[in-house]
Amino acid sequence: DADVTQTPRNRITKTGKRIMLECSQTKGHDRMYWYRQDPGLGLQLIYYSFDVKDINKGEISDGYSVSRQAQAKFSLSLESAIPNQTALYFCATSDSHQETQYFGPGTRLLVL
Amino acid sequence: GENVGLHLPTLSVQEGDNSIINCAYSNSASDYFIWYKQESGKGPQFIIDIRSNMDKRQGQRVTVLLNKTVKHLSLQIAATQPGDSAVYFCAENIEGGSNYKLTFGKGTLLTVNP
Repeated sequence: DADVTQTPRNRITKTGKRIMLECSQTKGHDRMYWYRQDPGLGLQLIYYSFDVKDINKGEISDGYSVSRQAQAKFSLSLESAIPNQTALYFCATSDSHQETQYFGPGTRLLVL
Repeated sequence: GENVGLHLPTLSVQEGDNSIINCAYSNSASDYFIWYKQESGKGPQFIIDIRSNMDKRQGQRVTVLLNKTVKHLSLQIAATQPGDSAVYFCAENIEGGSNYKLTFGKGTLLTVNP
């Protein structure tokens, strides 16, 4: 969905490095989410934010942090990347009155 | 997650046939369900959703059926086309109400043979 963009689309980094994945949306939605996708495990929720002042941990928040810089921007940071954080990362948004989440194109991260 | 699962991890059909993808859930409090399609290299794309006060909902070539008695959800795709080849995920609003957090199943890979 072009309304939700993620940068970078691909990233290779080394163990111990700090990296940031960014998400922007033009849908005007209040809520934003970060998911991780591993083969055979589906989508797992890392963090979510229901508005600019609200940040909540998801199922697998350890090793990650987030920042909601504005309603339209939600970034995910890996403070010290490790190889088992190699995965696909998706950002999603939703309106506060609806459950439907709209996903970005994803960021493929490889930690060496 | 453990509460949302799929009976068949892979499904192969012939072009023009109907496809049925199944999903089981275990939380009777879930009040909203959604199907996503994920093509290779892309993010999940919304297909169709259904609330727990409904048994059936139809979209363009797709139908979602909800059987609350046996906690079963299915996605039916009519006249399956090669462009339907993708991984299909079901998801549920497991906490119900306005919390609107989705729990996703592992996905079913649908392959359409020409």
